[in-house]
Amino acid sequence: AQSVTQLGSHVSVSEGALVLLRCNYSSSVPPYLFWYVQYPNQGLQLLLKYTTGATLVKGINGFEAEFKKSETSFHLTKPSAHMSDAAEYFCAAQGGKLIFGQGTELSVKP
Amino acid sequence: DAGVIQSPRHEVTEMGQEVTLRCKPISGHDYLFWYRQTMMRGLELLIYFNNNVPIDDSGMPEDRFSAKMPNASFSTLKIQPSEPRDSAVYFCASSYGMGASKGTQYFGPGTRLLVL
Repeated sequence: AQSVTQLGSHVSVSEGALVLLRCNYSSSVPPYLFWYVQYPNQGLQLLLKYTTGATLVKGINGFEAEFKKSETSFHLTKPSAHMSDAAEYFCAAQGGKLIFGQGTELSVKP
Repeated sequence: DAGVIQSPRHEVTEMGQEVTLRCKPISGHDYLFWYRQTMMRGLELLIYFNNNVPIDDSGMPEDRFSAKMPNASFSTLKIQPSEPRDSAVYFCASSYGMGASKGTQYFGPGTRLLVL
């Protein structure tokens, strides 16, 4: 069965530092891949998605993710963290249904 | 577009009571999904509909849970009787299609349910 693993349930960075949130999927066939963000007491908002084509995907709020088939990874990055980036981030894979990782809570220190 | 609308946003009830959660998907979307989010289990897909027809309810935890979609603009998730372990945030999402090229799921704000 397809699964999604997010390494690190909690990541803390300083404002202005690089953000790196890790995601690995398990699937013999590369699925479609997504990153969602959830701000406190809100629903999930799509950050970016990979379907086919260019492996570096740019999303909203300065985030991007790179699909690496050889590593079965889809890590999310942002060059410079902002306080407003503090939220929970979910990686998800879709072969049929959408399967979510457990989430990574990002804290940004001033 | 108003996005996916859910009501109520918060619900506090006592064990044994019936709870009904409501969802209005984005107009024109043909898929509707119900998810549950808990600290222990993360985000779980409970059931999804295509053109108002339930397609996969394998995620529904037990017979106390039921979901309906009487028309394209309304769905309910009902828990009867409710139990404390049902306390969670319930999300509704909708999409046009189910392939990622067009089937991006849009989530509502969720209903935070507390069963005492």
